[in-house]
Amino acid sequence: QVQLQESGPGLVKPSETLSLTCAVSGYSISSGYYWGWVRQPPGKGLEWIGSSHHSGRTYYNPSLKSRVTVSVDTSKNQFSLKLSSVTAADTAVYYCARVGCNGGTCSFFDYWGQGTLVTVSS
Amino acid sequence: QTVVTQEPSFSVSPGGTVTLTCGLSSGSVSTSYFPSWYQQTPGQAPRTLIYNTNSRSSGVPDRFSGSILGNKAALTITGAQADDESDYYCVLYMGSGIWVFGGGTKLTVL
Repeated sequence: QVQLQESGPGLVKPSETLSLTCAVSGYSISSGYYWGWVRQPPGKGLEWIGSSHHSGRTYYNPSLKSRVTVSVDTSKNQFSLKLSSVTAADTAVYYCARVGCNGGTCSFFDYWGQGTLVTVSS
Repeated sequence: QTVVTQEPSFSVSPGGTVTLTCGLSSGSVSTSYFPSWYQQTPGQAPRTLIYNTNSRSSGVPDRFSGSILGNKAALTITGAQADDESDYYCVLYMGSGIWVFGGGTKLTVL
């Protein structure tokens, strides 16, 4: 069974960089799939942030692209999120997720972490 | 900018049937967008219900079904139960590695 677990600071200061890691168990990242991040501000809906493959191919939400880096570390079987120049608007629960594939198209999220709240405040 | 639209809220009686929809601010939703649906209860991570328009995720009861209705993707819950009271999100795959979430529908069972 694939399991994902987020970790990282729960409090980040404005203008600094938010950094989170998602540890994967039950599956080797180097075997394939895209791995991504989704966030949810308090009381609001879900927003896709970005996804990455161990080959280095990455995709980002155009609205966040200038501030986001998603990368995969196959040696540790984990992937990470970096979001720079954060503001209070980046306060959210951040979920890591695997991009599921079916019939040759990878188009949905099939496994999710439990989420971690990151608050941006001085 | 692409906006995926969902009803903000919906209510259904226990045992009843409800259909939630997922549209586009401009254009029609088709199977080419590989619509998927997720259920989320407060404080919990999303749970994958439906992918590729109408494929149920493992362990999802068959009273949840997905389809295309007219120009929208649809999630139908047949025989609604109290624990179906949740937020439901659709996601459209826009291609080129880009996903867009809908704003979510808050479903009340009463």
